Amino acid sequence: KQEVTQIPAALSVPEGENLVLNCSFTDSAIYNLQWFRQDPGKGLTSLLLIQSSQREQTSGRLNASLDKSSGRSTLYIAASQPGDSATYLCAVVPLGDNDMRFGAGTRLTVKP
Amino acid sequence: EADIYQTPRYLVIGTGKKITLECSQTMGHDKMYWYQQDPGMELHLIHYSYGVNSTEKGDLSSESTVSRIRTEHFPLTLESARPSHTSQYLCASSELGRGNTEAFFGQGTRLTVV
Repeated sequence: KQEVTQIPAALSVPEGENLVLNCSFTDSAIYNLQWFRQDPGKGLTSLLLIQSSQREQTSGRLNASLDKSSGRSTLYIAASQPGDSATYLCAVVPLGDNDMRFGAGTRLTVKP
Repeated sequence: EADIYQTPRYLVIGTGKKITLECSQTMGHDKMYWYQQDPGMELHLIHYSYGVNSTEKGDLSSESTVSRIRTEHFPLTLESARPSHTSQYLCASSELGRGNTEAFFGQGTRLTVV
């Protein structure tokens, strides 16, 4: 069964720093991987979707990479801002499966 | 901006009451999902649907039921609420294909059963 792990569980950085969040998955047979942001008590906001045939996707200060063979994805946030503080979740859709498998998330705090 | 809506946002209800959590999307997506999430914990799939008249149970066993009479609407019902049902419930939708199926989530319903 596909398992998704996110490290670290929590991260605190000063404003302006570049940072990397990690996501690993146990089975490389996936359709896609998606990164989400979740603010406290709220739903999930889609950030980036990487299809299995792609290596990376970029949106503004965010860049997500996918190395399917090693079962890893990273989310790079450039020039972090206090407004980036949230929990970041990654999810994969396994081949032959019906739903997304989520990691437990990384709780990011960006200090002014 | 995702066009998927959940009501109510917050609900406090007594044990034994019947409740329905509403979820609607205007994107014409065939696939819809319900996830349950306890504070600080992972999301767990409890129900999903491929389209009208299709409903399936997810990995996490749940006493709730769902229906899909219209494409845009996927309500979740608890016949008799219990304190163990206290959680956040998140609805999502996506297109039916596999490769480029970006999922969109509603804002969630935080349910408290007292």
